[in-house]
Amino acid sequence: DQQVKQNSPSLSVQEGRISILNCDYTNSMFDYFLWYKKYPAEGPTFLISISSIKDKNEDGRFTVFLNKSAKHLSLHIVPSQPGDSAVYFCAATKYGNKLVFGAGTILRVKS
Amino acid sequence: NAGVTQTPKFQVLKTGQSMTLQCAQDMNHNSMYWYRQDPGMGLRLIYYSASEGTTDKGEVPNGYNVSRLNKREFSLRLESAAPSQTSVYFCASSTGGGGSYEQYFGPGTRLTVT
Repeated sequence: DQQVKQNSPSLSVQEGRISILNCDYTNSMFDYFLWYKKYPAEGPTFLISISSIKDKNEDGRFTVFLNKSAKHLSLHIVPSQPGDSAVYFCAATKYGNKLVFGAGTILRVKS
Repeated sequence: NAGVTQTPKFQVLKTGQSMTLQCAQDMNHNSMYWYRQDPGMGLRLIYYSASEGTTDKGEVPNGYNVSRLNKREFSLRLESAAPSQTSVYFCASSTGGGGSYEQYFGPGTRLTVT
């Protein structure tokens, strides 16, 4: 039973345009959500997070949106750069002790 | 400040062999975790240690054991390796509270069981 789903295995975007990565969850008890970025042969690195009491959080080119009623979050990258090409994982937690990860979306930014 | 380190980086085992994956963190974090990553499956939690002296099962604990040796170190042991345990293993750590739930990951160990 996948509690966190990333339904797009891959996404291809032109450099300079917006990348939108989506994530859906089923457990309404989740209260904190995170995005991680992973390059090949490296460990995931934390990108941005959002608490369930907010609906938006920004950090430079990265913005995460949370729609609790739809149990949906998205990561926007504007503008996209070739160095953003990586696998992006969304993750969710309730009370912070364990993260549940989605399967990941491969982002390719074409120059 | 090395963050989270893992050894070895690569390992090939034969079915039935045993091995221990080592993990250490220098961020004074309370909580540590072991994940496996398989294609199309994301990261799945094997075991975690919320604080020194405690360990708990995650989503996929069968075939594994762990030891929280001290606050810095958390090891994962495969007693009798099986081909289904071929995977990339990541160790992670976090402060374990205070409203900050970010986990910091090591570089991974790629394990192949033949």
